Amino acid sequence: RKEVEQDPGPFNVPEGATVAFNCTYSNSASQSFFWYRQDCRKEPKLLMSVYSSGNEDGRFTAQLNRASQYISLLIRDSKLSDSATYLCVVNLGGSNFNKFYFGSGTKLNVKP
Amino acid sequence: DGGITQSPKYLFRKEGQNVTLSCEQNLNHDAMYWYRQDPGQGLRLIYYSQIVNDFQKGDIAEGYSVSREKKESFPLTVTSAQKNPTAFYLCASSRTTNSPLHFGNGTRLTVT
Repeated sequence: RKEVEQDPGPFNVPEGATVAFNCTYSNSASQSFFWYRQDCRKEPKLLMSVYSSGNEDGRFTAQLNRASQYISLLIRDSKLSDSATYLCVVNLGGSNFNKFYFGSGTKLNVKP
Repeated sequence: DGGITQSPKYLFRKEGQNVTLSCEQNLNHDAMYWYRQDPGQGLRLIYYSQIVNDFQKGDIAEGYSVSREKKESFPLTVTSAQKNPTAFYLCASSRTTNSPLHFGNGTRLTVT
């Protein structure tokens, strides 16, 4: 079983739509959670960290459910520029701070 | 601005040749990492280093070597022993506990 699993998509949505991605992780000892955005043939860039109480940054909302071991990313009012692949990343933390596990990414296409 | 610089952006080599990818950071991060990304796959860890003069093998270290003589620098050598070297190579750094990865802009290596 993979450490981190994501629906690969693609999610094809019109501009202005709300779209949500989920990601599940297998190690209950995981301590830190992140969403990254990766454009085609570019490096991943940190979109947001995910905190236990949930957090929002503009049109983006991230949530963590430790009991069910999943994190989610909600994008409201989608823009064409949101088209990218979104990576879910989990870190074990503590003495295993160097252990990052990556999902394979969920591709989002926002269409006019 | 602080960041991570990888060079070159594109690299072409003949089979059987060793090649070294450069990675320099000025974020004052202790930990540095090398990942490999193949099309449609998640990132896989090649090597990581938590401190100068120390580094550890990741999940796919065979055919690769690294050095960490300075905090700022973590070069990766792809040797002729690596069977499938063509890939997108990403260098990253982080502080220690509970902090995200910061990526360089990547080196796309093609071996023919």
